[in-house]
Amino acid sequence: AQTVTQSQPEMSVQEAETVTLSCTYDTSESDYYLFWYKQPPSRQMILVIRQEAYKQQNATENRFSVNFQKAAKSFSLKISDSQLGDAAMYFCAYRSYFTNAGKSTFGDGTTLTVKP
Amino acid sequence: NAGVTQTPKFRILKIGQSMTLQCTQDMNHNYMYWYRQDPGMGLKLIYYSVGAGITDKGEVPNGYNVSRSTTEDFPLRLELAAPSQTSVYFCASSLTQGSKNIQYFGAGTRLSVL
Repeated sequence: AQTVTQSQPEMSVQEAETVTLSCTYDTSESDYYLFWYKQPPSRQMILVIRQEAYKQQNATENRFSVNFQKAAKSFSLKISDSQLGDAAMYFCAYRSYFTNAGKSTFGDGTTLTVKP
Repeated sequence: NAGVTQTPKFRILKIGQSMTLQCTQDMNHNYMYWYRQDPGMGLKLIYYSVGAGITDKGEVPNGYNVSRSTTEDFPLRLELAAPSQTSVYFCASSLTQGSKNIQYFGAGTRLSVL
């Protein structure tokens, strides 16, 4: 079974600065997807960014980018120019490409605080 | 666009009571999921469904039941509520398990069992 580990329960960043959230995972599969979700106080789960394991290029969505290291099984999220609205809990998630009916395995989350 | 709708948003149950958490999606997604999120933790999969009439257990199915009689609806049933089932429950749906598969989540149901 796959596991996802987020080793930073809490992180803080100054507004306009850059922060990196860590995620590692364990799998024996070669094809899979990785996701970062944001969960603000409203509890709604919002997809931030996704990465296909077969792609070497790191995914980027505006101020959000990932550093995907397949051999190291690492998938960190970088938030540039942090904004107050970025404050939330962030979850890393893994999903198999071919199996498991699209089920996702989630990490325990990192709570991000943005200081004005 | 409604997306994934969960009802109710909040509920308090007494030990031993039963209830059904409703989930409906209007995106014609074939896959649907129920997760629970305990305080400070990630989401754990309870049950999932790959289509009408087909359901299967996830990581933490004990104490729950599901049914999928239509593509749109995927209710989660708690028969004998226990304090350990105090959690936030999320329903999600997705179209396929392929590369563009994205899970869309409902807003969650906060359940307390006292």
